[in-house]
Amino acid sequence: NAGVTQTPKFQVLKTGQSMTLQCAQDMNHEYMSWYRQDPGMGLRLIHYSVGAGITDQGEVPNGYNVSRSTTEDFPLRLLSAAPSQTSVYFCASSYRAGGQTDTQYFGPGTRLTVL
Amino acid sequence: GNSVTQMEGPVTLSEEAFLTINCTYTATGYPSLFWYVQYPGEGLQLLLKATKADDKGSNKGFEATYRKETTSFHLEKGSVQVSDSAVYFCAPGGNKLTFGGGTRVLVKP
Repeated sequence: NAGVTQTPKFQVLKTGQSMTLQCAQDMNHEYMSWYRQDPGMGLRLIHYSVGAGITDQGEVPNGYNVSRSTTEDFPLRLLSAAPSQTSVYFCASSYRAGGQTDTQYFGPGTRLTVL
Repeated sequence: GNSVTQMEGPVTLSEEAFLTINCTYTATGYPSLFWYVQYPGEGLQLLLKATKADDKGSNKGFEATYRKETTSFHLEKGSVQVSDSAVYFCAPGGNKLTFGGGTRVLVKP
């Protein structure tokens, strides 16, 4: 198993550009999520999904869109990049049982810089 | 949703010292509780977990006990090593998973 994969590893954008961060998992996990990690801020939840076709907002959803057309993939789209979106982005996935998530498996992260 | 309050760092220790990181949780029901660790330049990975009250999770010399009475899940290690330098995150299970700020631990030789 490859686990959770994220592409790209690094990205530099100019203000106003759009892009999609890719996330895929091969563990048949129902639950997938996106976090951003800023220095001194811990991890903040952007969006999450409890299954294909179902997404919901996290703590900091503004400026980001997601979709979940398959169990495996959960892309994160930046609509119009802003310097405030400079961060490290992590994707994670986990099993769910009885409405509760189990251990989350994290990808290696994407380091995004917006100039 | 479920949430945690975790002691702020950084925590600086000498090798072989005793480590405690406090974590208290607020949750609906009794979710599983987790400790994750993040080494420099990497994503988070599971350190240990407990699935019900009074369970003790353990791994790599670390331990944490699920205390329903005090809504706590404190992380402990009896003798830390330089390689334990990392950021540690406490997190409850649930439907909308959030993390606290993490606790940075620095172990000096």
